[in-house]
Amino acid sequence: DGGITQSPKYLFRKEGQNVTLSCEQNLNHDAMYWYRQDPGQGLRLIYYSQIVNDFQKGDIAEGYSVSREKKESFPLTVTSAQKNPTAFYLCASSIGNRGEQFFGPGTRLTVL
Amino acid sequence: SQQGEEDPQALSIQEGENATMNCSYKTSINNLQWYRQNSGRGLVHLILIRSNEREKHSGRLRVTLDTSKKSSSLLITASRAADTASYFCATGFSGNTPLVFGKGTRLSVIA
Repeated sequence: DGGITQSPKYLFRKEGQNVTLSCEQNLNHDAMYWYRQDPGQGLRLIYYSQIVNDFQKGDIAEGYSVSREKKESFPLTVTSAQKNPTAFYLCASSIGNRGEQFFGPGTRLTVL
Repeated sequence: SQQGEEDPQALSIQEGENATMNCSYKTSINNLQWYRQNSGRGLVHLILIRSNEREKHSGRLRVTLDTSKKSSSLLITASRAADTASYFCATGFSGNTPLVFGKGTRLSVIA
């Protein structure tokens, strides 16, 4: 099956911990994205990558980091510098920047 | 902000009625897309309309685009309880910038 997967589905973090959210796609898409969604809100772009070994900051990159070592994978690390990380995180991919985006099922991160 | 704005924020209708959602944006676009999100899930692409198109249909969905007014509307005809979800517009620009999503319209279809 072609698609985009995220893991884990639920994640709990203690104050001061870094956590990494996984995103994998087998759609052979060049572009991948990370969004944050807060309750009742739209999507805010954290980081995006158009090709391997390259990525750009989105609107709310502070406190987050990413890597793109493989075309299929775009992990997001939520660092301790992110003061309010509790949110729903969505990963997406697309062929080009303006085309249809395919979304994963999301990871819900809660800070304890 | 280049973000699109959906209107209304929330909409509640009876099954069988039509639902209309609107999206306005501020700058020139290459295309406009509509997505659907069921509660706690990822978004699903519904339809894309290019800047040189005025209307597009897909099943019970009808999308219009008025570039002079910088606005789009999504019409869902003969709504069903299963259409209950949040609907987002996303604008695609020229150049190499990614889509920008609006805040969404929460649609409730009551059986």
